[in-house]
Amino acid sequence: DTGVSQDPRHKITKRGQNVTFRCDPISEHNRLYWYRQTLGQGPEFLTYFQNEAQLEKSRLLSDRFSAERPKGSFSTLEIQRTEQGDSAMYLCASSLGKGPWDTDTQYFGPGTRLTVL
Amino acid sequence: SQELEQSPQSLIVQEGKNLTINCTSSKTLYGLYWYKQKYGEGLIFLMMLQKGGEEKSHEKITAKLDEKKQQSSLHITASQPSHAGIYLCGADNTDYKLSFGAGTTVTVRA
Repeated sequence: DTGVSQDPRHKITKRGQNVTFRCDPISEHNRLYWYRQTLGQGPEFLTYFQNEAQLEKSRLLSDRFSAERPKGSFSTLEIQRTEQGDSAMYLCASSLGKGPWDTDTQYFGPGTRLTVL
Repeated sequence: SQELEQSPQSLIVQEGKNLTINCTSSKTLYGLYWYKQKYGEGLIFLMMLQKGGEEKSHEKITAKLDEKKQQSSLHITASQPSHAGIYLCGADNTDYKLSFGAGTTVTVRA
């Protein structure tokens, strides 16, 4: 078990550019989550996948953001036309996926820190 | 949405001393998670509490869930430099996503 991995760890880009982040979940984890964390705050939920299906998106996820999880394995988060307000830590988490009334521990990756100049 | 308030926002403790962090929810807690985060890094899972009155311990860290008060506490005994970091509580709303508090920054002074 190698844990959740994210790539890149750091990304600096200019305003208006597109960026893409990758997340590799723990193998056999069915659920995958994306969160965003700004300085001094806890993570905020962005979106969630059950296998390859994207089941929920937060209102924080504007139309400039898109996430995919092809084949239910790794996931990508793309931000188009980046803005300075997009600067944050983007965290990916995965969980095994139990029944709807079971708690399901989420394990987080190291995050991708995005800086938009 | 569920709101979690953590207190204190930050604390400084002398090495060897005990410390307690509180997490209070605006709604009933179905599952409460404690994570630790080093600055600029990801979250490390510590413990999960589900039942009212539940208490769990791992090494020198103990967490309790008081369901009636919609509150959880995290207690560290005989703190060490390795305990320094940001502690975050997260609530499971039964809809899979977690709602987090703003975190408590712990500094351990030698």
